[in-house]
Amino acid sequence: RKEVEQDPGPFNVPEGATVAFNCTYSNSASQSFFWYRQDCRKEPKLLMSVYSSGNEDGRFTAQLNRASQYISLLIRDSKLSDSATYLCVVNLASGSARQLTFGSGTQLTVLP
Amino acid sequence: DTGVSQDPRHKITKRGQNVTFRCDPISEHNRLYWYRQTLGQGPEFLTYFQNEAQLEKSRLLSDRFSAERPKGSFSTLEIQRTEQGDSAMYLCASSSSGTVNTEAFFGQGTRLTVV
Repeated sequence: RKEVEQDPGPFNVPEGATVAFNCTYSNSASQSFFWYRQDCRKEPKLLMSVYSSGNEDGRFTAQLNRASQYISLLIRDSKLSDSATYLCVVNLASGSARQLTFGSGTQLTVLP
Repeated sequence: DTGVSQDPRHKITKRGQNVTFRCDPISEHNRLYWYRQTLGQGPEFLTYFQNEAQLEKSRLLSDRFSAERPKGSFSTLEIQRTEQGDSAMYLCASSSSGTVNTEAFFGQGTRLTVV
């Protein structure tokens, strides 16, 4: 079983739609959680951290359920520029080391 | 440009040759990471430095791979006797010391093709 699992998609949605991505992680000791965005042939970039209380940044809302080991990302009023791969990322801190474990990514295409 | 810089951006090599990649992190960052990404997959952790100390290595990092960060600034990743399976994007990232939510910034990567 992969440590971080995501639905690979692809998700093809019209402009203005609301789309949700889900992610599960296997290590219950995981300490921190993120969504990264990766455009085609580009490096991953942090979209937002995910906090236990849930957090929102404009059209993006992230939720964390530690009991179910589940993370979600909701995008409202999707734009063409939201087309990218969204990577669910978990920090599996071990001792003093910090390493990020990535899911395989969910591909989103927003259609005009 | 104050971001993470990687060189070269692309490398094509023949099987069996050695290759070396360089990463220059953001100057005030003391943590540096190497990842490998293949098509359709997320980045996979290879190794991690805090200053010049290599604190963690993935099981993915075979004996043919070696990484250094001699002065705690730039880092190099060397692959000896390359194999076709080494073809991938090699990503470097850096971060500062801080909380567990400290952001890691990625370079644009070195795309390796082994022919």
